[in-house]
Amino acid sequence: GESVGLHLPTLSVQEGDNSIINCAYSNSASDYFIWYKQESGKGPQFIIDIRSNMDKRQGQRVTVLLNKTVKHLSLQIAATQPGDSAVYFCAETPYTGGFKTIFGAGTRLFVKA
Amino acid sequence: EAGVAQSPRYKIIEKRQSVAFWCNPISGHATLYWYQQILGQGPKLLIQFQNNGVVDDSQLPKDRFSAERLKGVDSTLKIQPAKLEDSAVYLCASSLATGVAKNIQYFGAGTRLSVL
Repeated sequence: GESVGLHLPTLSVQEGDNSIINCAYSNSASDYFIWYKQESGKGPQFIIDIRSNMDKRQGQRVTVLLNKTVKHLSLQIAATQPGDSAVYFCAETPYTGGFKTIFGAGTRLFVKA
Repeated sequence: EAGVAQSPRYKIIEKRQSVAFWCNPISGHATLYWYQQILGQGPKLLIQFQNNGVVDDSQLPKDRFSAERLKGVDSTLKIQPAKLEDSAVYLCASSLATGVAKNIQYFGAGTRLSVL
């Protein structure tokens, strides 16, 4: 069935280091992927997205890599800051008669000062 | 630009009671979503509206959950009667459009429901 999963439920990094959050997806029909950040007590917030016709997309301090061959998505955060501490979700949008967003379980990122 | 507004922020009820949540989406957003987020999990779509019509309610437990979006703006989600397993955060989101792959959703802060 459709599923979006994450390799690691928690990730702890030192402030200033780079963070890499991984995500595996199973639906080859997915055309669009989004990373969301959710801070405690808040709703998910859009970070960056990527279409399936791209391998890489960069934003401010964030980069998303897409490997369609192995159905893998990653979010790289450069120079991680305490404010980056949150749960990160990858979401895929497969076409199943309509576009439906499916969220993974999330990875909690801890940034140590 | 104002974000998605939800109320109440917290609600505690006993099982078999009823509860209602309210959502006001971002102005001009045609699509509205209700998600259930159980602790430690990602959001799960309950229902999706396009204007005031239902696009997807395949994961809505229709025997106890209901939702409406009158006039294509505000929406309410109701649970009657509540069960212990309904304890979760209920998130409302909105987006400009639906039916396209590129569909960024904007979320409210959610309502945390505890069923005792």
